[in-house]
Amino acid sequence: GESVGLHLPTLSVQEGDNSIINCAYSNSASDYFIWYKQESGKGPQFIIDIRSNMDKRQGQRVTVLLNKTVKHLSLQIAATQPGDSAVYFCAENRGNAGGTSYGKLTFGQGTILTVHP
Amino acid sequence: DGGITQSPKYLFRKEGQNVTLSCEQNLNHDAMYWYRQDPGQGLRLIYYSQIVNDFQKGDIAEGYSVSREKKESFPLTVTSAQKNPTAFYLCASSIVGRGLEAFFGQGTRLTVV
Repeated sequence: GESVGLHLPTLSVQEGDNSIINCAYSNSASDYFIWYKQESGKGPQFIIDIRSNMDKRQGQRVTVLLNKTVKHLSLQIAATQPGDSAVYFCAENRGNAGGTSYGKLTFGQGTILTVHP
Repeated sequence: DGGITQSPKYLFRKEGQNVTLSCEQNLNHDAMYWYRQDPGQGLRLIYYSQIVNDFQKGDIAEGYSVSREKKESFPLTVTSAQKNPTAFYLCASSIVGRGLEAFFGQGTRLTVV
């Protein structure tokens, strides 16, 4: 079936290192992707998004790369800090011409990022 | 401050009882969503609503019901038909349109005792 999934469930890095979190998706009709950060016991927080007509988008300390050929999405965090420790989810928006699916997100399993001081 | 509020934060329910989770937003968003999250899992969509008085089933709607009588409110009822209701429930809202982020509440942790 169609799904969004992550290659690695856990990632441990040292403070100051760069982190890369990966995500695979299978629905080629998806036109919008989002990365969320979720801290323990809290709701997900928006990090960065990217549309399917883009390959790369940069934010503050974060970069999202989209490779539509292999249906792969990655989140790069520069100079990772202990406060970045959380679960990171990718999500896809499977928009359609009818319009009723826009904003309806399908989430991946998540990657636990642990940053050691 | 604008935002999305879920209440209560923790909820305990006896088996066989229905329980309603509250979700209110003052962001003027047309669309609202309910997701369920189990430990170590991603979020799964229960129900969503693009406009007042209309809602659609998500991927795991069985055992749940919703209403959307007001733009600001989208309560979720977990019925006795839901076989494994213990989970973390998240409400979200967004502007209706292509590729727009959803804003999440802080969640309600429901435990069946």
